[in-house]
Amino acid sequence: TQLLEQSPQFLSIQEGENLTVYCNSSSVFSSLQWYRQEPGEGPVLLVTVVTGGEVKKLKRLTFQFGDARKDSSLHITAAQPGDTGLYLCAGAMNKFYFGSGTKLNVKP
Amino acid sequence: NAGVMQNPRHLVRRRGQEARLRCSPMKGHSHVYWYRQLPEEGLKFMVYLQKENIIDESGMPKERFSAEFPKEGPSILRIQQVVRGDSAAYFCASSPRGYTQYFGPGTRLTVL
Repeated sequence: TQLLEQSPQFLSIQEGENLTVYCNSSSVFSSLQWYRQEPGEGPVLLVTVVTGGEVKKLKRLTFQFGDARKDSSLHITAAQPGDTGLYLCAGAMNKFYFGSGTKLNVKP
Repeated sequence: NAGVMQNPRHLVRRRGQEARLRCSPMKGHSHVYWYRQLPEEGLKFMVYLQKENIIDESGMPKERFSAEFPKEGPSILRIQQVVRGDSAAYFCASSPRGYTQYFGPGTRLTVL
């Protein structure tokens, strides 16, 4: 059983559309990270959220940490083909727990 | 500030040989984590180490796999007597104090 559930697993959209990826758990985390991974590469850190209710923006990406620090969402506005990749969330407790990932494909 | 370094990037071994994967954490980071990833899948935790200590090895297979993070030098993930099922990408991440991890580029192991 996965401690962090990510949804959706796969997402294929057209350039210019908006999308939201969810990362849910019944456990409380001290912090939560979002990563993006491209084929053949290691995951690249996008953001760390620490405080319940925290919202962080990175250009067209908006990250939110749930009030109870159990869940998080990643919203992408006006997706571009360069956003294509595997998005992973990771929650920190005594160690790091990863979601299974959301594979995003943005078609031009 | 150099990022997490892993070498080799690609490693080919025949069944029964040993594979040795190296990870140099970011400067100032004393926590190292190893993960395994199969194609089209997420990351599977293997082991968490601090300098000279194994903190959590709950994700490591009981046989053939070992990891160390000595006082000096890189962290090493060792796989003895490799089998085809060991073929995967192995990622190392480092952290200054267990707060946020930074990943290396990975080692892709192919067992023939």
